[in-house]
Amino acid sequence: DADVTQTPRNRITKTGKRIMLECSQTKGHDRMYWYRQDPGLGLRLIYYSFDVKDINKGEISDGYSVSRQAQAKFSLSLESAIPNQTALYFCATSDGDGYGYTFGSGTRLTVV
Amino acid sequence: QKEVEQNSGPLSVPEGAIASLNCTYSDRGSQSFFWYRQYSGKSPELIMSIYSNGDKEDGRFTAQLNKASQYVSLLIRDSQPSDSATYLCAVLRGSTLGRLYFGRGTQLTVWP
Repeated sequence: DADVTQTPRNRITKTGKRIMLECSQTKGHDRMYWYRQDPGLGLRLIYYSFDVKDINKGEISDGYSVSRQAQAKFSLSLESAIPNQTALYFCATSDGDGYGYTFGSGTRLTVV
Repeated sequence: QKEVEQNSGPLSVPEGAIASLNCTYSDRGSQSFFWYRQYSGKSPELIMSIYSNGDKEDGRFTAQLNKASQYVSLLIRDSQPSDSATYLCAVLRGSTLGRLYFGRGTQLTVWP
């Protein structure tokens, strides 16, 4: 099994719908991150968490919310999806500063 | 000025040549530097990390860091078609520990 698992892998949803993307990890890392990737824009940070009680906004948190249900689980929600949230979403984990990230396989989200 | 800048490319080299990928960063207090490889439609994969000035070699890959010039590079020797991917530079800034800043990536094509 993958160290960092994202579900679903692909999702098509309609404008205005609420959708949740899930991430779970078996690496035992405290730090978890949600990024989105758009062509030409690179990876942009949405939210990150250093432990269950510590949630921080990234550069593009508007329209998104997160929940850290346990050390191993970090979910991203789009409260009311809009077409410009169509992107590739990645969850990542880290063991601390200087260790880099381990990424999940990504969720390709299309909002129509 | 973006925190991390890379030449967007695309960079095209023949098989067996040396590919040189460059990255500059704005925060002089940055501490850790990473190179990720991302195949099309896949997640980024950590291939190199470097923390101090100089060169670090791992197989065909060499990372070079010059903190005075705020410059980090990745050399790929004996380039292979399988090296064709987008390479992302990531930096841990001293002023905002706990998260990485990514460049937009350089697309590399190695032709046979």
